[in-house]
Amino acid sequence: EIVMTQSPAALSVSPGERVTLSCRASQSVSSNLAWYQQTPGQAPRLLIYDASTRATGIPARFSGSGSGTEFTLTISSLQSEDFAVYYCQQYNNWPRTFGQGTKVEIK
Amino acid sequence: EVQLSESGGGLVQPGGSLRLSCAASGFTFSSYGIYWVRQAPGKGLEWVSAISGSGDNTYYADSVKGRFTISRDNSKNTLYLQMNSLRADDTAVYYCAKTWYMDVWGKGTTVTVSS
Repeated sequence: EIVMTQSPAALSVSPGERVTLSCRASQSVSSNLAWYQQTPGQAPRLLIYDASTRATGIPARFSGSGSGTEFTLTISSLQSEDFAVYYCQQYNNWPRTFGQGTKVEIK
Repeated sequence: EVQLSESGGGLVQPGGSLRLSCAASGFTFSSYGIYWVRQAPGKGLEWVSAISGSGDNTYYADSVKGRFTISRDNSKNTLYLQMNSLRADDTAVYYCAKTWYMDVWGKGTTVTVSS
């Protein structure tokens, strides 16, 4: 099983700041990596797939990069609606696995 | 509009069974693999099971293998998850999600396993 490790577990950020979240895979997943955003009481929402492709309707302030085992999600200027939990997930191998999540909180 | 809608959740005793459904609309259902993903209270996301578009290939997490069965009826645009021998740690919100990078999610259905 591929273990996905996200860092940090949580961070406090002020609106307008740039945020960088990391996701590391225990073995290569090529570019078969997605990022999701989840706000309280809601289903997750796809942000990025294939490591760097924004999903339909996702603002340009969200960007993804990386391949192999190291991946990054960057939010260029944090908006109030971006305070949420972010998960990475690999879809290169079975079983599919998620990271434990990074909670982005208001500073 | 592409939509998924789960149903069938509820309260069940340990050792009991439940069948979840996921109704799809707005896309060619048979062309896409579909996942079940769950989230225990206050916890992260856990992949549970998946099925290919044709239904020929199925996949399971070790935690549910032998107890859960995924299936689909492409004529009804509906996905199912038959859950047997339920345990307390199966308590979660269960989501269905479309395609391998989960581009569309349902709102979820809650399963509570408790005596």
